[in-house]
Amino acid sequence: LAKTTQPISMDSYEGQEVNITCSHNNIATNDYITWYQQFPSQGPRFIIQGYKTKVTNEVASLFIPADRKSSTLSLPRVSLSDTAVYYCLVAYNQAGTALIFGKGTTLSVSS
Amino acid sequence: GAVVSQHPSWVICKSGTSVKIECRSLDFQATTMFWYRQFPKQSLMLMATSNEGSKATYEQGVEKDKFLINHASLTLSTLTVTSAHPEDSSFYICSARGGTATNYGYTFGSGTRLTVV
Repeated sequence: LAKTTQPISMDSYEGQEVNITCSHNNIATNDYITWYQQFPSQGPRFIIQGYKTKVTNEVASLFIPADRKSSTLSLPRVSLSDTAVYYCLVAYNQAGTALIFGKGTTLSVSS
Repeated sequence: GAVVSQHPSWVICKSGTSVKIECRSLDFQATTMFWYRQFPKQSLMLMATSNEGSKATYEQGVEKDKFLINHASLTLSTLTVTSAHPEDSSFYICSARGGTATNYGYTFGSGTRLTVV
């Protein structure tokens, strides 16, 4: 199973761009890279997903280099409400059906 | 689309009693649902895969007789924590795969905070 490595925590200020990098050296050929956001006492919420190059949606961008051994989630102009835990996911359970979560990155945004 | 509803959002029960948590897919059919457990300051840990019309598949180390899972319909899975003890206090989250979500179908419920006293 592919393992992900993310920084445990990051600090930022309102209005700044935040980039969270995730390492996944053993990613399988067919695996997609998915990022989720989780607030305290809530379930994870989907942010963005990609396979290679760059993906952008209304809330974030995802940059994936050609070797796919890492990915970077970019949050433009963060606000206080972006304070949360961010998970980078590439792995599934042995049956290949359920997402397996790593430790995540706790992002703290200050004013 | 792709909304997963979980109920209750929190529950307090006495040690030794059983508690049932419901997970519903509101606008899509989910033949497979997943149950996770999350302790404070930790990540989500997959407990089991709930399969409609058949037995659940439990991850290694999860007691199937303690955490009973029933997936009787395409929109409802239930997790029953039997003979609950304080160490079972945790945040339980369900997930379903289906609907038209662009993230290849993984949608999570809002979670249930279980406190056993």
